[in-house]
Amino acid sequence: EVHLVESGGVLVEPGGSLRLSCAASGFTLSSYSMNWVRQAPGKGLEWVSSISADSNYRLYADSVKGRFTISRDNAKNSLYLQMNSLRVDDTAVYYCARDGQPKEGRIFDYWGQGTLVTVSS
Amino acid sequence: QSALTQPASVSGSPGQSITISCTGTSSDVGSYKYVSWYQQHPGKAPKLMIYNVSSRPSGVSDRFSGSKSGNTASLTISGLQAEDEADYYCTSYTTSKTQVFGGGTKLTVL
Repeated sequence: EVHLVESGGVLVEPGGSLRLSCAASGFTLSSYSMNWVRQAPGKGLEWVSSISADSNYRLYADSVKGRFTISRDNAKNSLYLQMNSLRVDDTAVYYCARDGQPKEGRIFDYWGQGTLVTVSS
Repeated sequence: QSALTQPASVSGSPGQSITISCTGTSSDVGSYKYVSWYQQHPGKAPKLMIYNVSSRPSGVSDRFSGSKSGNTASLTISGLQAEDEADYYCTSYTTSKTQVFGGGTKLTVL
């Protein structure tokens, strides 16, 4: 059974940094692109970033470009999101999601339970 | 990239059918068949309901169906049930190879 478990969400001050992790199990991580999607409190879903199976392609939403870095360690079955220069409007639940689409396009077929990042002074 | 446009809320009675629209542009919905729909109950992670416009993952009820015309995709739920009450989100792949979500639609089963 596919499982995705996020961790690392905490309260951090504006301007601070944080690294989120997503532990994957029940499938071969190295065969799938992976994503981060966030949801601010009471708001809708927002795609944050994607990384290809081999890490050769990384894409970011304009709202996080230059501040966030997505990475993965297939040997450790893990996905990461390094978040720098955090802003109040980065406050959200961050989900990792598997991309079930083998080629072009994305299908978020499995999601973790999310980890809450709060940016506040 | 602007969010896709969804109605904020829709409602229907048990047994009825409802349709949720999702309007984008020629840079996203209009360019690809890569539109998917997600159901989210309060406090839970989203669940994939429809992918590639009209395909259903195994285990999803055939009461859920999807379609697309031009820049607008639609999700139809037939035979509404109380358990269908949730938030629904559409999303599309874009010509920039990024992803854009709709603002979400709250479905109320009366």
